[in-house]
Amino acid sequence: ETGVTQTPRHLVMGMTNKKSLKCEQHLGHNAMYWYKQSAKKPLELMFVYSLEERVENNSVPSRFSPECPNSSHLFLHLHTLQPEDSALYLCASSQARGLGEQYFGPGTRLTVT
Amino acid sequence: GDSVTQMEGPVTLSEEAFLTINCTYTATGYPSLFWYVQYPGEGLQLLLKATKADDKGSNKGFEATYRKETTSFHLEKGSVQVSDSAVYFCALSLAGGSEKLVFGKGTKLTVNP
Repeated sequence: ETGVTQTPRHLVMGMTNKKSLKCEQHLGHNAMYWYKQSAKKPLELMFVYSLEERVENNSVPSRFSPECPNSSHLFLHLHTLQPEDSALYLCASSQARGLGEQYFGPGTRLTVT
Repeated sequence: GDSVTQMEGPVTLSEEAFLTINCTYTATGYPSLFWYVQYPGEGLQLLLKATKADDKGSNKGFEATYRKETTSFHLEKGSVQVSDSAVYFCALSLAGGSEKLVFGKGTKLTVNP
């Protein structure tokens, strides 16, 4: 595997389900990010982990819970979601304190029914 | 605050036409500037970058020049192809401390044969 991988690529879940999104980076980076991309809205930064510590949480509802067990892996745990949470969830990685360029995974298309 | 403004889309061109997508920025420091591209059903890919004034980033026939005097980073391509149809995002990052990319809203490009 190369670059940034995300699983699953597609997920359909009910509002009472619990699921997790997984992201893995193979680039030797030490910062990782979760973004939400909804139709007709700008890209929204949700969480930032740098050197395995959460450095930013942009007022994301508590039904989204991130976990970063090491510099290569990032999870987004989901529970009791709402239909408006349906979106493409993108993971990215970068070198902390570098020039800022981030490398993105292909995303997980989430549908909440 | 730091921000990126890019031209509203959608943009529709015929194959072999000249492309310009305008991007201007506001930043308190000396940002690095990026163009990302998102093909249908995929994540964002770094297209090109420039890290200081007067730098020109280029890739796959696309070019953008970092213009500090006009705070701009316009994307250009001399002859577009159908395969260039995608959404293009301009972004900035403040090097040396910030872990954030600030994105524009994206410009959808459709190239017709």
